Amino acid sequence: DIQMTQSPSSLSASVGDRVTITCRTSQSIRDYLNWYQQKPGKAPKLLIYGASSLQSGVPSRFSGSGSGTDFTLTISSLQPEDFATYYCQQNYNIVVTFGQGTRLEMK
Amino acid sequence: QVQLQQWGAGLLKPSETLSLNCTVYGGSFSGHYWNWIRQPPGKGLEWIGEFKHGGSTNYNPSLKSRVTISVDMSKNEISLKLSSVTAADTAVYYCTRGGNLVDWGQGTLVTVSS
Repeated sequence: DIQMTQSPSSLSASVGDRVTITCRTSQSIRDYLNWYQQKPGKAPKLLIYGASSLQSGVPSRFSGSGSGTDFTLTISSLQPEDFATYYCQQNYNIVVTFGQGTRLEMK
Repeated sequence: QVQLQQWGAGLLKPSETLSLNCTVYGGSFSGHYWNWIRQPPGKGLEWIGEFKHGGSTNYNPSLKSRVTISVDMSKNEISLKLSSVTAADTAVYYCTRGGNLVDWGQGTLVTVSS
């Protein structure tokens, strides 16, 4: 299986901050990398697919970049509704795997 | 707007079989990938497996011996069966659509306890 390592595991930030979360994979996955946002008690929501494509309806302050083994999710200016847990996911391999999650908390 | 509505037993005893269903409303059923994902309380996401539009399935190797995912196209339903459950199978289970997991069901908490 492809291992996914997200960093940091948790992050404290303030409204208006620029935030970056990274995801590293154990082997190249080209651009088969997606990012999800999950709020407590809710299903995850797709934010970014194909490493850098913004899912319809997702605010443009979210962006993704990277290819191969190193990827980033950036929130350009944090809004109150962005405090949540974020997961990366690869679907390059038949066996889909997720990162362990990054919990974004209000400072 | 596609909606995925899940249902199934929420409390099981060890060694029983978990059985969940997911009905798709408001969108095309054929031609898509259908997945099941689970999330133990307070933990991360784990892919269980998928049913591909050609009719084939793929499963997480860690669960493969116990899992069956099937589809009833006449009912727009996806089903999950997980046999011989233990407390480690306690989780919220989600059905999802797409290779990029665009659409999600509401989630079903399944608790395994004697």
